[in-house]
Amino acid sequence: DVKVTQSSRYLVKRTGEKVFLECVQDMDHENMFWYRQDPGLGLRLIYFSYDVKMKEKGDIPEGYSVSREKKERFSLILESASTNQTSMYLCASTDREGRYEQYFGPGTRLTVT
Amino acid sequence: GIQVEQSPPDLILQEGANSTLRCNFSDSVNNLQWFHQNPWGQLINLFYIPSGTKQNGRLSATTVATERYSLLYISSSQTTDSGVYFCAVANFGNEKLTFGTGTRLTIIP
Repeated sequence: DVKVTQSSRYLVKRTGEKVFLECVQDMDHENMFWYRQDPGLGLRLIYFSYDVKMKEKGDIPEGYSVSREKKERFSLILESASTNQTSMYLCASTDREGRYEQYFGPGTRLTVT
Repeated sequence: GIQVEQSPPDLILQEGANSTLRCNFSDSVNNLQWFHQNPWGQLINLFYIPSGTKQNGRLSATTVATERYSLLYISSSQTTDSGVYFCAVANFGNEKLTFGTGTRLTIIP
């Protein structure tokens, strides 16, 4: 079974803080994704990584950066958290061969006060 | 980019009822997936179904790629089926999925 884990289930941070969200997958997947989910908007892609040290902007990358130093780990960084970044953050992974089925972590609900 | 529309946005059913959820998309796709998000937020992949029909227990899905829609069928609903169902698609050469806004299903005992 594919397992995708995220470092925190719930997180509360203050405006202006630097925030790190970590995601780890154990299936040797090449592709990893960060999404945010907001009511009525579905899932929106923030960043995508297709290999170590490789990244590509998604639909809403402003205010975020990412890091992928190891294949199994993909980090989302909020350089200076703002209240409009309060959201549910979901990490996913998929392999590059075959069907690209996406497997999701449990999510991190971030509140910025 | 590709547009994905799901209907209905909300569905409330009695336990034991059957339901059909629809996903329309605006362009040709080579990747279509259905997900279930449970009340605790976990997204589970139900089907990878860019075309054809698949069944898994009480759930089945059909995609008619030429007409740009997919249907998810849930039979004999149980309370554990409650949650949000998402359809997501990608077109050729694109590894990034575009998600619909989901159908919220509530099953009442």
